[in-house]
Amino acid sequence: DQQVKQNSPSLSVQEGRISILNCDYTNSMFDYFLWYKKYPAEGPTFLISISSIKDKNEDGRFTVFLNKSAKHLSLHIVPSQPGDSAVYFCAASSEYGNKLVFGAGTILRVKS
Amino acid sequence: NAGVTQTPKFRVLKTGQSMTLLCAQDMNHEYMYWYRQDPGMGLRLIHYSVGEGTTAKGEVPDGYNVSRLKKQNFLLGLESAAPSQTSVYFCASSHPPGAIYGYTFGSGTRLTVV
Repeated sequence: DQQVKQNSPSLSVQEGRISILNCDYTNSMFDYFLWYKKYPAEGPTFLISISSIKDKNEDGRFTVFLNKSAKHLSLHIVPSQPGDSAVYFCAASSEYGNKLVFGAGTILRVKS
Repeated sequence: NAGVTQTPKFRVLKTGQSMTLLCAQDMNHEYMYWYRQDPGMGLRLIHYSVGEGTTAKGEVPDGYNVSRLKKQNFLLGLESAAPSQTSVYFCASSHPPGAIYGYTFGSGTRLTVV
C-alpha cells in the first residue's frame, strides 16, 4: 500500500519547455513534502520542499505546488534543461521529518 | 567535506552469507537512516536512528540489523543474505527535523545476492 504515488514512470520534454512531475498521497497526516533528484550511480539530492500550510514554493526554475484537498503535489521546472534529466522522487513526512516516505520516482528526459 | 560515505560500493554475496554495510557522516547530524531502492518501489526505510545508541525499525526491517555506537557511524547488517535482499542501499543523515533541512544521502551500495 503505497502512501506516496508517482503514477508516471517517465516523462520526456523538449529543452526550454516546462516539465511537470506529479505526485499523489493518501495519508492525510502528511505535513511536509519534498522533491529529490537522482542521477545514475549517485544518491538522491534534495531539490525543494513545501509545508502543508503553503500551496506554492519557488526556487529559481523549480516550483512546487500543493493541493491538500486533492492530496496532490506537482513539481514544475521552467525552462527545462538537458542537465535536468534525472529521476525525481516525491517524498512526504507526517512528523516534520523523522521518517520520509518516498514515491517510486519519475524518470525525466530533457531532449536538446 | 565528504558528507555521507558508504562502503562498500558494490558487493556480491552468496545466499546465507553475512555482511555489514558501513555509513559514515562528517556533518554532526543527529539522525541517520538506511533505505533500499528497488525498481518500481522507490526508496523504502529499513531502520533509522535519532541519536547515538538508539535505533528503530522502519517500513521493511526484516532480515536486517543496525547499530549506532558512534554518532558519525550507522551500520547495517545482513545476518543471512537472501536473493530478495538484492537491492541498492542508501544511507542518509539529517539534522532534526529531517524533512525541513533535507536528508543528505550517500552514493549507495549495490548488493547482489546469488
